[in-house]
This record gives sequence, structure tokens and C-alpha cells, in this order.
Amino acid sequence: GEDVEQSLFLSVREGDSSVINCTYTDSSSTYLYWYKQEPGAGLQLLTYIFSNMDMKQDQRLTVLLNKKDKHLSLRIADTQTGDSAIYFCAERDTSGTYKYIFGTGTRLKVLA
Amino acid sequence: ETGVTQSPTHLIKTRGQQVTLRCSSQSGHNTVSWYQQALGQGPQFIFQYYREEENGRGNFPPRFSGLQFPNYSSELNVNALELDDSALYLCVSRVTVNTEAFFGQGTRLTVV
Repeated sequence: GEDVEQSLFLSVREGDSSVINCTYTDSSSTYLYWYKQEPGAGLQLLTYIFSNMDMKQDQRLTVLLNKKDKHLSLRIADTQTGDSAIYFCAERDTSGTYKYIFGTGTRLKVLA
Repeated sequence: ETGVTQSPTHLIKTRGQQVTLRCSSQSGHNTVSWYQQALGQGPQFIFQYYREEENGRGNFPPRFSGLQFPNYSSELNVNALELDDSALYLCVSRVTVNTEAFFGQGTRLTVV
């Protein structure tokens, strides 16, 4: 079945690194995504990784992909209070619709 | 700014009523998908339209229906509203199914 799993909560101190983890189900997924959602807002695309990559870095964000274990992680360096939000991992279905399958989200709280 | 506009941003309906949510996509975006995000959950795929025809559907009952128009606008209609239909509804548009997705900010529907 389709099930993307994430831990529900993460709390870090300002300036520390945050690591948000995700496991996905479809080993044939070609694109995997991280989205950020602030309270009352829609989804903001943070970054994505193509399945033939192991790592992608974009400023403070580092994405690691372990295809063997179907594990994806997002590391945020020097976490700031403005990073407090819900983070969603998503895989793109490889069937005809290419729909997105989202995890339940990880709520990141950054303590000053 | 994603170029995808949803209206209204918020609305309140009574159980049993019908509702129409609207989405305006960028010109040339032939694919539109709708997602439901219940409180505390990740977005769930409702259905997708390509060139005005439905080409994929998630696990939602037939009282959820949609339309896509030649002017790149679309609608999500929900009949016989239930309390559990309270959610954020997201519109996603793409040029075609496997190209970059652009998310609207969502319509927050409350059913009382």
C-alpha cells in the first residue's frame, strides 16, 4: 500500500541542526520532496531529490536518500526560530497520475 | 507566488449542504489535481484532471466531483457535506503530469 511515514514531533534549540526523517514505500519513485507548511498556510516546496542521487545540498538544507532502505532525511543547519513549521516528505507516484503521496508531517519546534 | 489562485480562502458550511471550491491555474497548465488535508494529516489525493477529463482518483466517494475548464480554471464540488469534510483543500497545477507542480494556498472548509 501507499504509506509515507514520519515522526510527529521534533524540538531543537536555535543554532543546532535539525534532522527530519521519512520512510517511503515505492522503490520506483523517481522524485522525493520536502515541503514546509507554516500555520494556516499552504505548502512551500523546500527541495527535492532525484532517485539517482544520494545527497543534495541547498544552502542550509541537506537531503540524504538511502534507496535500499527507502529512507529520506532532511537536515537543516543552524536552525532558526523561523524554521518552526510542519515538514512533509512526499514521493511522486510512478503510475499514470504521478500523484504525490505525503507523509503525516513532522512538527518542528525551535526553542530560542 | 505560484501562479495558482484558490477561492475562497475560508468558508463555513452546514452539514448536508453542497460546496464549490475554485482554482485558477497558470496558462498552459493542462493538469490540475485536488488534495484534501485534514487537521494534523498530510494532504490526500482526491482526483486529477487533464485537458478537462478526469484521469485519476483517490479513495474519495462520488460526492466529490470536479470540473476543469479550457481557460485553466477548475472546480471541486462536494455534495452532502459531512463534518469530516472539514479540511484544507489544495489545488495543484502542472503543465503535464510529470512536470513541476505548483500548489495553491488552499481553501479552508469548515463544516458545522
